[in-house]
Amino acid sequence: SYVLTQPPSVSVAPGETASISCAGNNLETKSVHWYQQRPGQAPVVVMYHDTDRPSGVPERFSGSKSGNTATLTFRRVEAGDEADYYCQVWDGRSDHWVFGGGTKLIVL
Amino acid sequence: QMQLVESGGGVVQPGTSLRLSCAASGITFTNNDMHWVRQAPGKGLEWVAVISWDAKNLYYADSVKGRFTISRDMSIKTLYLQMRGLRPEDTAVYYCVKDRGGYGDPLDFWGQGTLVTVSS
Repeated sequence: SYVLTQPPSVSVAPGETASISCAGNNLETKSVHWYQQRPGQAPVVVMYHDTDRPSGVPERFSGSKSGNTATLTFRRVEAGDEADYYCQVWDGRSDHWVFGGGTKLIVL
Repeated sequence: QMQLVESGGGVVQPGTSLRLSCAASGITFTNNDMHWVRQAPGKGLEWVAVISWDAKNLYYADSVKGRFTISRDMSIKTLYLQMRGLRPEDTAVYYCVKDRGGYGDPLDFWGQGTLVTVSS
């Protein structure tokens, strides 16, 4: 089955830049989406189709992809950005929707 | 205002059945594929199942295939998940989720979830 790999946690000081990676085989052929989940809340999409930002998501958030790795980047990190972030793709070979294991963004 | 409201969760014994429901409002229910996604306590998100907008295509995670059945009733804008042969590892919050468009599109609206606990 298809696997997406994320680091368990990323730590960053307020005002700095942080990045969360998401690695998967043949990821360059897939569309990557990112979800933010705050404690006790449902996930919310914060980036879709690799680089598109939904309305209401701060411009400080950006997405990119190179080869088999997608990246969600936060500029000028704020305390409110602290949350769990998940990447997700559709695997057409299995008709399965796949999530990465999630990354906890810790704002120091 | 879009809403997805799950119900039907609870505490059940291993081997038993449970049916979850998800009532949709403010959504053109007939146009969207719908999913169930679950999250075990303290764990990550796990996709469970999807039903296409016309209910003709159904797909399941390997972990639930043969035990869970996804369905929808267009007339009352409700999504269901029939769960049979429940196991302790099925314990999770189950989210009802709208797909933005279809294959390869994001899951763009989530309900608040309903907790299923499988325990003896």
